[in-house]
Amino acid sequence: DAGITQSPRHKVTETGTPVTLRCHQTENHRYMYWYRQDPGHGLRLIHYSYGVKDTDKGEVSDGYSVSRSKTEDFLLTLESATSSQTSVYFCAISASTSSTDTQYFGPGTRLTVL
Amino acid sequence: AQTVTQSQPEMSVQEAETVTLSCTYDTSESNYYLFWYKQPPSRQMILVIRQEAYKQQNATENRFSVNFQKAAKSFSLKISDSQLGDTAMYFCAFMTNLKGGSEKLVFGKGTKLTVNP
Repeated sequence: DAGITQSPRHKVTETGTPVTLRCHQTENHRYMYWYRQDPGHGLRLIHYSYGVKDTDKGEVSDGYSVSRSKTEDFLLTLESATSSQTSVYFCAISASTSSTDTQYFGPGTRLTVL
Repeated sequence: AQTVTQSQPEMSVQEAETVTLSCTYDTSESNYYLFWYKQPPSRQMILVIRQEAYKQQNATENRFSVNFQKAAKSFSLKISDSQLGDTAMYFCAFMTNLKGGSEKLVFGKGTKLTVNP
């Protein structure tokens, strides 16, 4: 499982409240990612990090921010949650093999915004 | 922009039989990587198999193999001797480069596979 945990695993919140999801890894991987999964869309990249304090936007970044103050933690924040952000959120790390990098995923967080 | 298309939203197969899931992609890159991930009802995303575009030999992992046709931009997954535990959503994905050496996966919408006893 590449030593990836996500917290919380489930969360129900109300529109307009801030929400922070945490991704924690134990194997010192440099690259970390946040994806969201919605029916009919597969997984789509929200934000990514290529080092401590180095982050950038993915294809669906509106309404989200991230922070990475240490290698092992990558936080995803919804500043003011909306119903359109109801989704399953996956964190991933990139691990190098002899031939290519491969992304391994955490268990996911199901977020419901009422 | 890269796109990945899985044209079969749902498929079913009898236990012990063989099934092939289709995937096509669009890219202008010459060297890239392709992946199949499995997502069972537990929701965990599990890597099934990967293929480097510069390798002509099709990748295999036990009962899973791919048919990679670079010119046609096709990357199908064959599951042999299907088992009940293969029941899952299967996603095809293309890897593309981002800033700082990181890489993004572009996913298809998935194929829901049911293995019947």
